[in-house]
Amino acid sequence: ETGVTQSPTHLIKTRGQQVTLRCSSQSGHNTVSWYQQALGQGPQFIFQYYREEENGRGNFPPRFSGLQFPNYSSELNVNALELDDSALYLCASSTPRTSGSGELFFGEGSRLTVL
Amino acid sequence: GQQVMQIPQYQHVQEGEDFTTYCNSSTTLSNIQWYKQRPGGHPVFLIQLVKSGEVKKQKRLTFQFGEAKKNSSLHITATQTTDVGTYFCAGPNNAGNMLTFGGGTRLMVKP
Repeated sequence: ETGVTQSPTHLIKTRGQQVTLRCSSQSGHNTVSWYQQALGQGPQFIFQYYREEENGRGNFPPRFSGLQFPNYSSELNVNALELDDSALYLCASSTPRTSGSGELFFGEGSRLTVL
Repeated sequence: GQQVMQIPQYQHVQEGEDFTTYCNSSTTLSNIQWYKQRPGGHPVFLIQLVKSGEVKKQKRLTFQFGEAKKNSSLHITATQTTDVGTYFCAGPNNAGNMLTFGGGTRLMVKP
């Protein structure tokens, strides 16, 4: 158990809809990163939040947005869903601001299916 | 942009055989991390290597970081069915705020 919790665990949406995924980071971790993992592939970095601000973004369009709250929990919002958005969305928390130099603690993920 | 490649994509082994996965980065890395993801699970951190030429062992697992800090390998001696899963390597970008993951090597072990 990493102490990182995500909700919901599974959800089904249709094209054009919007979705919000939630993540509670491990106690004491102030940095949250979101990754998208398509079936059979490695996780791809979406963005990172540190002290409620975006601290780096991967190659994802603006319809992917996020928030971090004062308690370090975070949300990932995806608007205008497309079929290719079907994937496992992973939240990872970490202690150092530069999560690339420290271990990432992943949650169980939210599996999104877009029909 | 930074790319991380892993080979092979899949490996079937008989229980007791050895297994190795290789990881190559398009850029020099400050460190490299390895994660294991069981089927239906999430990535779990195994280890981080920082120094050029570093070798670390965890029981039957041996991790190496290349001299040029652009490649790495994971070797499992005498595989067991509990080793089943996908092994990912990952390297940070220059800003250190994201990890680029390789495509993973899926290990299947026949009992």
